[in-house]
This record gives sequence, structure tokens and C-alpha cells, in this order.
Amino acid sequence: NAGVTQTPKFQVLKTGQSMTLQCAQDMNHEYMSWYRQDPGMGLRLIHYSVGAGITDQGEVPNGYNVSRSTTEDFPLRLLSAAPSQTSVYFCASSYVGGGAHTGELFFGEGSRLTVL
Amino acid sequence: TQLLEQSPQFLSIQEGENLTVYCNSSSVFSSLQWYRQEPGEGPVLLVTVVTGGEVKKLKRLTFQFGDARKDSSLHITAAQPGDTGLYLCAGAPTGNQFYFGTGTSLTVIP
Repeated sequence: NAGVTQTPKFQVLKTGQSMTLQCAQDMNHEYMSWYRQDPGMGLRLIHYSVGAGITDQGEVPNGYNVSRSTTEDFPLRLLSAAPSQTSVYFCASSYVGGGAHTGELFFGEGSRLTVL
Repeated sequence: TQLLEQSPQFLSIQEGENLTVYCNSSSVFSSLQWYRQEPGEGPVLLVTVVTGGEVKKLKRLTFQFGDARKDSSLHITAAQPGDTGLYLCAGAPTGNQFYFGTGTSLTVIP
């Protein structure tokens, strides 16, 4: 089972460049999310989606866009990269049943982004 | 200020010692989860606690959910080098915004 697959694993950008981090899951999970991980700050939620066609902002959404056209894919777009976006990015998915979100989050291996 | 604050941020102990990691918030959570992350990998779920006052044990790891459902703790007995990693608490106080704590980096020295 592939689980959650993120590409690329490593990327170096120059300030102002754009790029898309890809995330795909094969577990038919409704819930998908993007986090960034910086030293001493744990994981911070960027954007999330509870199903195809539905997205919403998390704690730190500025500078990032997302879309969810299919259940499987949830790409994260950086329109104009800034050095402050240097981080490790994680995509995660989960089954959400009923109302309360207690499902296990399954993570990809991460994408390390450096913006010069 | 993050919704979930963990302490300590760093912990370095000798093999065989006991330790406790704390996860605190001013918000009430319907449930809290604990994850462990190793370098170069994504976090992996250890446990979910749902009921206030609940205690769950996973081998040498004991997890407790506070009575008011605002805090949780992770206690490791007789730590081993294989316990080394980043421990993260996480929860969704409302809706579907799933927040993570600031993390505790544990190093167990042989």
C-alpha cells in the first residue's frame, strides 16, 4: 500500500518563483491537510479539506493555495515563494466518520523546501 | 502562541530512566492524540485518548487525558534508545482544524 505520497522530496527555489507540492493518497480518505514543520514549533496547519471541492484555511494559510478536485489529490501551491516559506511540508489524510474528528492522521514522508 | 503547548521542548536522559512529557491548552478537546516522529519521516500515531481522566498504556508508555480535557501527559518507564524521537500531541478543539503541539524532542543515551 502506498498510503500518502508526496513529491518532490526536496526542492530549492529562488524568491518569487512558484511551485506546487503534490500529495496523493490511495486510502479513500475524505480529510486531507497540509502542515509545515519548523524547529521548536511542531506542525502548523496550512490548509485542509474535508472532501472534493471543499477547502478551508488553517493556522498559517498566507502565501499558499490549495484545491481538491478529486478525493485522492490535494496539491499545495506557492505562488511567489519567500525565504520565510523555507520549511518541511507534510501532507496528511484521515477518515472522518460522524462528527468528531478522532481519526488517525496518516502522513507522507515530507517535502523539504528551501527558498533562497 | 500555539493552541497546544508541550513541555519540556528537549529532553536528554540515560537509558533506564523515567520521564514525563506534558501537553497543555486553554481549550477543551473532544480527544487528544499522541504521535511519534523519527528523523526524515512523518509522525505516526501512538494513541488517542477520548474520555476525561482516561489512562491508556502502550507497553512502557502511559498516556493520561486530564479530567477537564484540556491537557494530557505521556510517561515513559525505563526509557530505551529506541524511544528516541519527537513526540507530538494533537487534537481538534472544534470542527476539522487539527492542531499539533510544539513537540518534545527526546534523546535516550545508551
